[in-house]
Amino acid sequence: GAGVSQSPSNKVTEKGKDVELRCDPISGHTALYWYRQSLGQGLEFLIYFQGNSAPDKSGLPSDRFSAERTGGSVSTLTIQRTQQEDSAVYLCASSLGQGTNYEQYFGPGTRLTVT
Amino acid sequence: DAKTTQPNSMESNEEEPVHLPCNHSTISGTDYIHWYRQLPSQGPEYVIHGLTSNVNNRMASLAIAEDRKSSTLILHRATLRDAAVYYCILRDGTGANNLFFGTGTRLTVIP
Repeated sequence: GAGVSQSPSNKVTEKGKDVELRCDPISGHTALYWYRQSLGQGLEFLIYFQGNSAPDKSGLPSDRFSAERTGGSVSTLTIQRTQQEDSAVYLCASSLGQGTNYEQYFGPGTRLTVT
Repeated sequence: DAKTTQPNSMESNEEEPVHLPCNHSTISGTDYIHWYRQLPSQGPEYVIHGLTSNVNNRMASLAIAEDRKSSTLILHRATLRDAAVYYCILRDGTGANNLFFGTGTRLTVIP
């Protein structure tokens, strides 16, 4: 079946511009996560959505970062006024439910380069 | 989530078993032990998880120490496609749902 998809696969933007990254989770998955991975580093949690509950935004690094999830499906991560330190691979994951017994399925990521 | 410690890198010969260790001395009673791996240029993928008992699935086996302060991921026959970074992660069964990734173990498989 279809896995998690993300678009674009690569994005190059100039410092100061806004960018939007899209995530299509697996159909029927109620939980959706955003992570980012800087070069040579492990993954850093950004934000988590579960059903209609308020999202867990505890990992967002600054107020330039925001995300929404429309209709409990597609999610968009927006970075305003991008900075060079925002350059990273942004990964989206979804799971069938919340809780530790639900594995997370990851998309291929969006590689963001801020010049 | 409690912290895990893994070797930075390991090597294995193709078609031989691989034992990837993980220390988690501060694990709590509600923490599950999860393993994910990340192949080059891909997102992570789930491998296996367990709580107290050893676990087996089609990808690997997970051996958990009796005191749960360490665990070992076992790949029974390494293939070149198993070359990846392997992450050992503790997930609190009553707490946050996100995964806390460390730096993992980079496994190199030698043909």
